[in-house]
Amino acid sequence: GQNIDQPTEMTATEGAIVQINCTYQTSGFNGLFWYQQHAGEAPTFLSYNVLDGLEEKGRFSSFLSRSKGYSYLLLKELQMKDSASYLCAVREQQAGTALIFGKGTTLSVSS
Amino acid sequence: ETGVTQSPTHLIKTRGQQVTLRCSSQSGHNTVSWYQQALGQGPQFIFQYYREEENGRGNFPPRFSGLQFPNYSSELNVNALELDDSALYLCASSLRSATGQETQYFGPGTRLLVL
Repeated sequence: GQNIDQPTEMTATEGAIVQINCTYQTSGFNGLFWYQQHAGEAPTFLSYNVLDGLEEKGRFSSFLSRSKGYSYLLLKELQMKDSASYLCAVREQQAGTALIFGKGTTLSVSS
Repeated sequence: ETGVTQSPTHLIKTRGQQVTLRCSSQSGHNTVSWYQQALGQGPQFIFQYYREEENGRGNFPPRFSGLQFPNYSSELNVNALELDDSALYLCASSLRSATGQETQYFGPGTRLLVL
């Protein structure tokens, strides 16, 4: 079975840095993804981690610790357009290439 | 833009009816996955097709079925619709690699309302 936990909501101000945490329990791990989803739209791919460590991509970075079953998404220099839901998803070896999603973290950025 | 398209964008049905949702994959992709996303929830995996064969299925009843065509486009069929089937249905396409390390790219979704 699998369990993926992320905070339900977070708030931050423009220009700030925010870290969205994700913890997971799976029977076999084969990669972790972060997606961004604006209200009423499709999820958009942000990052992928399969090995421990930090992956940096512009203002967004994602970290993975497989031994702790833990990941975070770091957003720097927040902009109003970053207000969205952020979905953590795990790919399990037993599930082929299917993704198991958490419920998502709704981030609200204010001026 | 991911190059993944879905139709229709919105649909209203009544309980007991049947519905077919369609998805066109990104060019060059050979795998399509379908997800159901209820309001305020993360997407839930329904099933996946690779080269026209079902290649994994989530915890959904048999009245959820699918097809993948030779051009890698896909259909999701739901029979005997129930009120709880109201959701956003997302398809995601990907290119299967030998290591299974692939990224799924989502279409805009079909919002289904069952009355």
